[in-house]
Amino acid sequence: DAGVIQSPRHEVTEMGQEVTLRCKPISGHDYLFWYRQTMMRGLELLIYFNNNVPIDDSGMPEDRFSAKMPNASFSTLKIQPSEPRDSAVYFCATTSWGQGISGANVLTFGAGSRLTVL
Amino acid sequence: AQKVTQAQTEISVVEKEDVTLDCVYETRDTTYYLFWYKQPPSGELVFLIRRNSFDEQNEISGRYSWNFQKSTSSFNFTITASQVVDSAVYFCALLRNDMRFGAGTRLTVKP
Repeated sequence: DAGVIQSPRHEVTEMGQEVTLRCKPISGHDYLFWYRQTMMRGLELLIYFNNNVPIDDSGMPEDRFSAKMPNASFSTLKIQPSEPRDSAVYFCATTSWGQGISGANVLTFGAGSRLTVL
Repeated sequence: AQKVTQAQTEISVVEKEDVTLDCVYETRDTTYYLFWYKQPPSGELVFLIRRNSFDEQNEISGRYSWNFQKSTSSFNFTITASQVVDSAVYFCALLRNDMRFGAGTRLTVKP
């Protein structure tokens, strides 16, 4: 398996623009997490899904942030409009609980998307 | 509520020294998992170990060892004979329904 795939790896945009970050989970993983990492706040959980359904979005900072998981193999995190304080590395991580599934019971992270908002 | 505390923000040691990274957690649940992840300068998050709440047996993997004590809600990580390549940020995490990370400890191993 190619692991958790995130795109883009780097994004530089101007304040006010829409940003869409993408994540492809490991096949068979039914939990997907979005995290944001900054120097000030560390690793923050933004939202997580189970079987494509959002379970807890209490970490989403404000209405400018939205996340979707239209199917088991794709998720997006959208920021509209973006602001300089949104600059961070955004990680997607996936897992499954149980046996017999590659990477089960361990959160496997993607390489991250580094966002810079000017 | 779940919470993970890594009180050590930064640690600096000289190569070959032993170093222990502390992790204290809070949860009201009796079933949970504890993790350690490493984030080297390249930025990826690398899984090191997972422990479930019913398994307090300590674990050793090469130069790494972990001490899990439910009585003190601690899950400490020791690197024996540290090497420069161990320089990274280390995160402790607690999983119940979601996964919460500590603030991380930046370890610098000097030659």
